[in-house]
Amino acid sequence: NAGVTQTPKFQVLKTGQSMTLQCAQDMNHEYMSWYRQDPGMGLRLIHYSVGAGITDQGEVPNGYNVSRSTTEDFPLRLLSAAPSQTSVYFCASSPPGQGRYNEQFFGPGTRLTVL
Amino acid sequence: AQTVTQSQPEMSVQEAETVTLSCTYDTSENNYYLFWYKQPPSRQMILVIRQEAYKQQNATENRFSVNFQKAAKSFSLKISDSQLGDTAMYFCAFMKHSGGGADGLTFGKGTHLIIQP
Repeated sequence: NAGVTQTPKFQVLKTGQSMTLQCAQDMNHEYMSWYRQDPGMGLRLIHYSVGAGITDQGEVPNGYNVSRSTTEDFPLRLLSAAPSQTSVYFCASSPPGQGRYNEQFFGPGTRLTVL
Repeated sequence: AQTVTQSQPEMSVQEAETVTLSCTYDTSENNYYLFWYKQPPSRQMILVIRQEAYKQQNATENRFSVNFQKAAKSFSLKISDSQLGDTAMYFCAFMKHSGGGADGLTFGKGTHLIIQP
């Protein structure tokens, strides 16, 4: 299993540009989520999904959109990038039901810089 | 909402020493889970240890153990016989038990642990 994969690893955008951060997992996990990590901060939850077709907002959802059309993929969209969205983004997944209380499996992260 | 506080931004110890990282949290929930994650310079998030709030027995994983004090809302991590590879950011995290949905993890700001040779 490849686990949780994220692309790209690094990205530089200009203010106002749009882009999609990709996240995929091959473990048949129902629960997937996106976090952002800023300097001096822990990770903060952006959006999450408990299964295909179901998404919900986390702590810091503004400026981001998500969709979940398949179990495997959970892309994060920035419609109009702002410098405040400069951060490292992590995708995570976990098994269904009680499994999510055991461990979240994290991807390697995407470092995004918005100029 | 839950909050997680790690009061030690950075700690430094000598190799082979024992070190304790502090974590406190605030919640009105009774059923929840606590975690310590390690983030080495590679940036990968690695689960170190987890604790279920309804279990009084402290979790242990080899050189890693926790001191879970539910009434005090404290969840410290003890690393015994520290090794150079333990150098990393350590994050304390909280997850409440929810029936249908899932709120995800709430993280503290982290403690940068440096193991000196």
